[in-house]
Amino acid sequence: SYELTQPPSVSVSPGQTARITCSADALPKQYAYWYQQKPGQAPVLVIYKDSERPSGIPERFSGSSSGTTVTLTISGVQAEDEADYYCQSADSSGTVFGGGTKLTVL
Amino acid sequence: QVQLQESGPGLVKPSQTLSLTCTVSGGSISSGSYYWSWIRQPAGKGLEWIGRIYTSGSTNYNPSLKSRVTISVDTSKNQFSLKLSSVTAADTAVYYCARSTVGALDYWGQGTLVTVSS
Repeated sequence: SYELTQPPSVSVSPGQTARITCSADALPKQYAYWYQQKPGQAPVLVIYKDSERPSGIPERFSGSSSGTTVTLTISGVQAEDEADYYCQSADSSGTVFGGGTKLTVL
Repeated sequence: QVQLQESGPGLVKPSQTLSLTCTVSGGSISSGSYYWSWIRQPAGKGLEWIGRIYTSGSTNYNPSLKSRVTISVDTSKNQFSLKLSSVTAADTAVYYCARSTVGALDYWGQGTLVTVSS
């Protein structure tokens, strides 16, 4: 199995760009997926296969990958983007989540 | 539109077995190449993957829970289920069921809180 490491928190002002990283501790790296979770709600998929955006997710959400690190970028952050964000990866043996990052919009 | 709904007791006594069911609507649980997963989240903490069952019936479990977990599917009822044995207070959490395809968990239930307490 492998682990995914995220920073516990990220803070940005409205209109700025937020970047949340997720590092895997083992190779080969599988695809990464990102979820947004607001208080009292189930997680929502916002990025799949490192950089693809599901329908209905705003264009300000994007994903990228470099080596064993993937990054979720939120451009022009809005107050409504304040939430917990989780990265996730999967292989033939199962699924693992990162520890989560709390995004605070100042 | 696929929808998932968890159901089961909200209170379980220590050492007993936690049993939850996830009912799938808007599509057949046995069609397509999907995994049906269980995930949990203790209050104020992160997501923990518990395990999954494939449409073929094969299963994968989180190694840290494997000895206590069983996931099964009932295609006649369009449901899949979770059993977690020998529970302790550490198993108190919101439990989610979800569908996954190509790795992504694309549809989630709303979650159900299970408290382990005597």
